[in-house]
Amino acid sequence: NAGVTQTPKFQVLKTGQSMTLQCAQDMNHEYMSWYRQDPGMGLRLIHYSVGAGITDQGEVPNGYNVSRSTTEDFPLRLLSAAPSQTSVYFCASSYNSNNSPLHFGNGTRLTVT
Amino acid sequence: GESVGLHLPTLSVQEGDNSIINCAYSNSASDYFIWYKQESGKGPQFIIDIRSNMDKRQGQRVTVLLNKTVKHLSLQIAATQPGDSAVYFCAEKENTDKLIFGTGTRLQVFP
Repeated sequence: NAGVTQTPKFQVLKTGQSMTLQCAQDMNHEYMSWYRQDPGMGLRLIHYSVGAGITDQGEVPNGYNVSRSTTEDFPLRLLSAAPSQTSVYFCASSYNSNNSPLHFGNGTRLTVT
Repeated sequence: GESVGLHLPTLSVQEGDNSIINCAYSNSASDYFIWYKQESGKGPQFIIDIRSNMDKRQGQRVTVLLNKTVKHLSLQIAATQPGDSAVYFCAEKENTDKLIFGTGTRLQVFP
């Protein structure tokens, strides 16, 4: 199994541009989530999904959209990037949302200028 | 709101010594706790978890202790090795779908 795969690894955007961060898992996990990691603030939950067709907001959802059309994929969309969205983004998945440990990808480092 | 925090931002230990990383949580309704290790440039890696109906759980060289009375979680690493150098995060989950992370403790291991 490849586990959780995130693409791209690095991205630079200009303010106002849009892009999609890709996340795929091959473990047949029902639960998937997106976190952002900023210095001194740990990991903060952006959006999550408990299964295909279901998404919900986390701690810091503003400025981000998600969809879950398949079990495997959970893309994160930035419709109009802002410098405040400069961060490292991690996608994670788990078997379900009931006390199963999350498995993380290796992250996407995004810089918005 | 509820939060998860850590007592020590940086912990320095001698190789071979035992390490103890502490975490305080404020949500008394949390029923599941996890420790993660994050090395530079990588995503967090699962170390060990514990449910609220337990107060201790052991893995390979690691032990997690949960004290619900004072809402305290600790990770003990036996015979710390240079490869243990990383940032360690505790995370908690109430009976919801959200896993909330603390801010992290950096463990530095010196030869």
